[in-house]
Amino acid sequence: DAGITQSPRHKVTETGTPVTLRCHQTENHRYMYWYRQDPGHGLRLIHYSYGVKDTDKGEVSDGYSVSRSKTEDFLLTLESATSSQTSVYFCATGDRETQYFGPGTRLLVL
Amino acid sequence: SQKIEQNSEALNIQEGKTATLTCNYTNYSPAYLQWYRQDPGRGPVFLLLIRENEKEKRKERLKVTFDTTLKQSLFHITASQPADSATYLCALRYSGAGSYQLTFGKGTKLSVIP
Repeated sequence: DAGITQSPRHKVTETGTPVTLRCHQTENHRYMYWYRQDPGHGLRLIHYSYGVKDTDKGEVSDGYSVSRSKTEDFLLTLESATSSQTSVYFCATGDRETQYFGPGTRLLVL
Repeated sequence: SQKIEQNSEALNIQEGKTATLTCNYTNYSPAYLQWYRQDPGRGPVFLLLIRENEKEKRKERLKVTFDTTLKQSLFHITASQPADSATYLCALRYSGAGSYQLTFGKGTKLSVIP
């Protein structure tokens, strides 16, 4: 997994609570990404970062925010979780062309 | 908006045969196209990248073709083995897209039957 870890790996939470997912890399890659993967939709980009403190929105960014205060960490926050955010979340890092994915976080919002 | 279609949700093939997976795209021409493999419960793993000016790329038993006129990529696994069973994703980076974003297809689940 190219030195990429995600935490937690599994989480169950209740609607309306804040949730933060963490992605940590040891590859010194400039680019980092958060995706969600759902049946029938495939992988969809939520937010991405092209450097420390440099982030931008992806295809499905509503309800999510991100922060990147250092190269190795990229945090994804659900400010107030909803059931529609139940999904598998993947972090990816990479150079200008190739992306390397983490093991994923399964999130269940009840 | 860009659209990527992987024509088959699932493909079953006999061991030893060549598996061929299809990826079609619409609208703008991609700068390059990639194929990833994903096993159940795991993240996708990069396999191959092919650029818009390349027709074919090979890696061991894998071959990717890219036809920008047909807006199609074919992914071949020769001498397929049960261990090749997985979901295969194609992904495109469109020319002009910022920050090297990829757009993924929904994947084709390949089952290689012994």
